[in-house]
Amino acid sequence: SQQGEEDPQALSIQEGENATMNCSYKTSINNLQWYRQNSGRGLVHLILIRSNEREKHSGRLRVTLDTSKKSSSLLITASRAADTASYFCATYFGANSKLTFGKGITLSVRP
Amino acid sequence: DSGVTQTPKHLITATGQRVTLRCSPRSGDLSVYWYQQSLDQGLQFLIQYYNGEERAKGNILERFSAQQFPDLHSELNLSSLELGDSALYFCASSVGNRVMTEAFFGQGTRLTVV
Repeated sequence: SQQGEEDPQALSIQEGENATMNCSYKTSINNLQWYRQNSGRGLVHLILIRSNEREKHSGRLRVTLDTSKKSSSLLITASRAADTASYFCATYFGANSKLTFGKGITLSVRP
Repeated sequence: DSGVTQTPKHLITATGQRVTLRCSPRSGDLSVYWYQQSLDQGLQFLIQYYNGEERAKGNILERFSAQQFPDLHSELNLSSLELGDSALYFCASSVGNRVMTEAFFGQGTRLTVV
């Protein structure tokens, strides 16, 4: 079963706007990661946040983690057409050594 | 380029057949993970190997098996193929036994069973 559940399933925005994607999970985690996948290609790691961290930044990306609510959000600021892709959250739990992915969010950025 | 190489890129085969997918991890990475991606099931974790040994198992069917060789490349064997096995199969690698930093994904093998 999927550990992470992303929300919304699809998001369409105008270039220059911010995109916010949410992820909820069910069990304990060691870290939560966000990946991007361009159509039919491999996944690319974007950012990792550990369970004892609340917020991290990387370029135009900002990720937050609320372990009490078992949720995370990914914010992409000043979006570009090249950000059009599917975005996945993945949770890692060391006890079972599994990196478990959600079903993904399809982001479309209109030029 | 992630440094993870998967071959072949595309594979078309008939039901009942057996295929082998190959993965070469990033240089220095000891862990290899296999995932299956389909439209209805999303990304499903199949199995992990670390330095030649099986470390974690996910939703892997009995018809599927994998191994990691001494040179750290890995193979995923799929047998008695069914139409429902059509999917993208990804291999990923990481440095250690645990994904405490990031996993690097290959470009995938697209398997079509006809």
